[in-house]
Amino acid sequence: NAGVMQNPRHLVRRRGQEARLRCSPMKGHSHVYWYRQLPEEGLKFMVYLQKENIIDESGMPKERFSAEFPKEGPSILRIQQVVRGDSAAYFCASSSWTGAKTGELFFGEGSRLTVL
Amino acid sequence: AQKVTQAQTEISVVEKEDVTLDCVYETRDTTYYLFWYKQPPSGELVFLIRRNSFDEQNEISGRYSWNFQKSTSSFNFTITASQVVDSAVYFCALSGSLQGGSEKLVFGKGTKLTVNP
Repeated sequence: NAGVMQNPRHLVRRRGQEARLRCSPMKGHSHVYWYRQLPEEGLKFMVYLQKENIIDESGMPKERFSAEFPKEGPSILRIQQVVRGDSAAYFCASSSWTGAKTGELFFGEGSRLTVL
Repeated sequence: AQKVTQAQTEISVVEKEDVTLDCVYETRDTTYYLFWYKQPPSGELVFLIRRNSFDEQNEISGRYSWNFQKSTSSFNFTITASQVVDSAVYFCALSGSLQGGSEKLVFGKGTKLTVNP
């Protein structure tokens, strides 16, 4: 009965390094969403993926950020050459096909990235 | 574009007081969903409620109640007889369309509630 699993829960990187955040959706869910929560802010949508496809990346910064959801394995949010402004909590959510139509998202516990 | 405003940044109450968290939203969609989430100090997001835009009935769940008023585009959340464990940041959210027919959530900035013993 696992929910959405994210790892690592906490990640520390130095400026210029790469950060990889993983998300395993709930069993049976094929839709994955990534949100970012900057300090003292609400969550902001970044990207929406289905298996092997990026459906909507309108909230993703154009540079250094990428996301994938391969046929096998977890979804990955990758941040290259991290900067201090990337320090945030990154939440993954998943939904079923029907849940996607009504905003019924299940959130993971988040991955907290700190850039030194 | 969708927008959610939570005007109250922080609220502090004493245990057993009632407290209402305000949420005002903007959307041009005729069908949409409204949500409240709780984020305790541990950081996870706890789903509280989802409301369809066609259902304006108020809802009560234990000490929690929600007042949805389409005429004023508001979806306020009241906690009755607050407890220390209610201390958290509360987010109101609104659904917004994504490519591919899915819905994303547009979040307000949150209201930090502190309940003092």
